Order: sequence, then structure tokens, then C-alpha cells
Amino acid sequence: GIQVEQSPPDLILQEGANSTLRCNFSDSVNNLQWFHQNPWGQLINLFYIPSGTKQNGRLSATTVATERYSLLYISSSQTTDSGVYFCAVDSNAGGTSYGKLTFGQGTILTVHP
Amino acid sequence: DADVTQTPRNRITKTGKRIMLECSQTKGHDRMYWYRQDPGLGLQLIYYSFDVKDINKGEISDGYSVSRQAQAKFSLSLESAIPNQTALYFCATSDLTNSPLHFGNGTRLTVT
Repeated sequence: GIQVEQSPPDLILQEGANSTLRCNFSDSVNNLQWFHQNPWGQLINLFYIPSGTKQNGRLSATTVATERYSLLYISSSQTTDSGVYFCAVDSNAGGTSYGKLTFGQGTILTVHP
Repeated sequence: DADVTQTPRNRITKTGKRIMLECSQTKGHDRMYWYRQDPGLGLQLIYYSFDVKDINKGEISDGYSVSRQAQAKFSLSLESAIPNQTALYFCATSDLTNSPLHFGNGTRLTVT
């Protein structure tokens, strides 16, 4: 099956700093999503982004499908950004995604005040 | 996501017991999923359902069963719980084929 690698595994920032999280995947994808798991365990969908660029407030994401990677940018980080960020993909070659996502191991982000 | 409700939030059970985790959604989505998260790891798919009459195994279905009682309800059962099934369990829904996944708040299960 498809392999998903996220880097870095851990990231520690001071409040206000910017960061870039990376997701590499081993096959072509037709579904790529970024999630944030907060310290209470809740999983929040940040972006559905199989290709292109999207922005939502201080967060933005870019997926370069032809080169098999996606980037999540966090600007002006806040303590509430702390948690684990997951990239998840579906590589159904037929072009239809059935939502059977394969998750990366996540990046643990800690933002200090 | 308040539109996807999981019960119970926490459960402690003993080895060999049968337990059921429940999920209900008010999003009107046809597709529902059960995922498992082990400490420090990503999520793995247990079962998924595209409608009431469609049930499919995921990558780690052994030891689990599911029931899709209605479009809005999808239950996960552990027939005979074992300690290595201790994990955080998530239910999720999605609408169309290529659309975002929406998760419930999870059920923390401990098997002693």
C-alpha cells in the first residue's frame, strides 16, 4: 500500500514563529487531507487538498501531486496550535477516492508562550 | 465535531467481554468509517460503510464487527475484548466520493 511520511516528527516553537510541515507519499493520490489533533484528542479537518493551494486564516497548504508531497504552513503560531498534525491520503488509482485514508505518523507541534 | 457523536467517551472493560461502541451522525452523510488510534501513532481503518447495505473490512478488522443500523448509525463491536485492543477509537463520516472526512470526538477504550 501507499506509504506516507511526515516530517519533522517533533517541532517546538515560540509563539509568533512560522513553521512548515511536510508530507511525502509514495504513489499518486486523489485524496489528501490535513488534520489537527488537539491535546484533548479531537481530530479537526484542516484541509482537503489533493492538489493546488488553499488558505484558511493563518494556515495554508500546498500539494504538488506530480512530485508526491504536500506542505502545511502555519504562520504566527499560537499556543492553541499545539497538538499533532496528520496528513492522510487515498491512492485509489481509478480516480475515485472511497475515503479509505492512510495516515502518516504525524508531527507533534508544541508552541510555547 | 458535534455532528458526529460517539458513545461512550470512555470505557474500561475486562478481557473476554463483549462491548459495543456507537456512532451517530446528523450530517446526512452516506459514508461512515471506524478508525483506531494507538498511542503515538496515526489512525488505522477498521471498517467502512458506504450505505446501509454495504459493509467493508478495513486494514485491521480482525476481532471487530460492525452494524449499520440506519444511515445515521454505525456501531463497532469487540466480540471478545483483549488488552491489545486498548486504543482510541474514532468514527468518521464523509459525503461524496472525494470530500473531507469528519470525525467524532473519539472513544477511549481500555481493556484490562
